[in-house]
Amino acid sequence: GDSVTQMEGPVTLSEEAFLTINCTYTATGYPSLFWYVQYPGEGLQLLLKATKADDKGSNKGFEATYRKETTSFHLEKGSVQVSDSAVYFCALSQRGGADGLTFGKGTHLIIQP
Amino acid sequence: GAVVSQHPSRVICKSGTSVKIECRSLDFQATTMFWYRQFPKQSLMLMATSNEGSKATYEQGVEKDKFLINHASLTLSTLTVTSAHPEDSSFYICSASQEPYRDQETQYFGPGTRLLVL
Repeated sequence: GDSVTQMEGPVTLSEEAFLTINCTYTATGYPSLFWYVQYPGEGLQLLLKATKADDKGSNKGFEATYRKETTSFHLEKGSVQVSDSAVYFCALSQRGGADGLTFGKGTHLIIQP
Repeated sequence: GAVVSQHPSRVICKSGTSVKIECRSLDFQATTMFWYRQFPKQSLMLMATSNEGSKATYEQGVEKDKFLINHASLTLSTLTVTSAHPEDSSFYICSASQEPYRDQETQYFGPGTRLLVL
């Protein structure tokens, strides 16, 4: 079956540092790829997505590129802020959203001032 | 926009009782709703997919007689944990996707329900 693997945390960085959270996947066909974020006490929110190879999703300074050759969708941000502290989930879906999401385990990001 | 609520946010029940969790899309109509379960420090695991007016589709290993799902309208889905046992204690999260002519791939998540079975 499909699976998503992402780096485990917690990841602790100083404010304004560069962020990379690695995510790789195993799936048949051509899934869509997502990053969801969960802030403390809130539900998961879509951060960005990409639906085909070489697509780049971006939002709030975060970026991720769909790399089919390496089956990866790494999340990056050039300069993190304290407000970026949250849990980040990499996920994939098949069949244009008709199926549920397959999630990675989540990465807890802590940004220190 | 695209807000999903869950009720209750937290519930404690005795072993053997049943618990109902509601999931509502507040400002959009949801063709499809999903139910997930999350164990501590684990990923969200899809339990079932429900489409309005039809039977839910359960993932392999999920007992459909224990986890009853009803999607009676385009804005409400319910998950009933029947004859709950301590091993059913978990965090249950629902999500909803919009009608087919919208962005069906994006799911909007509720804040989750913490269930503790004593």
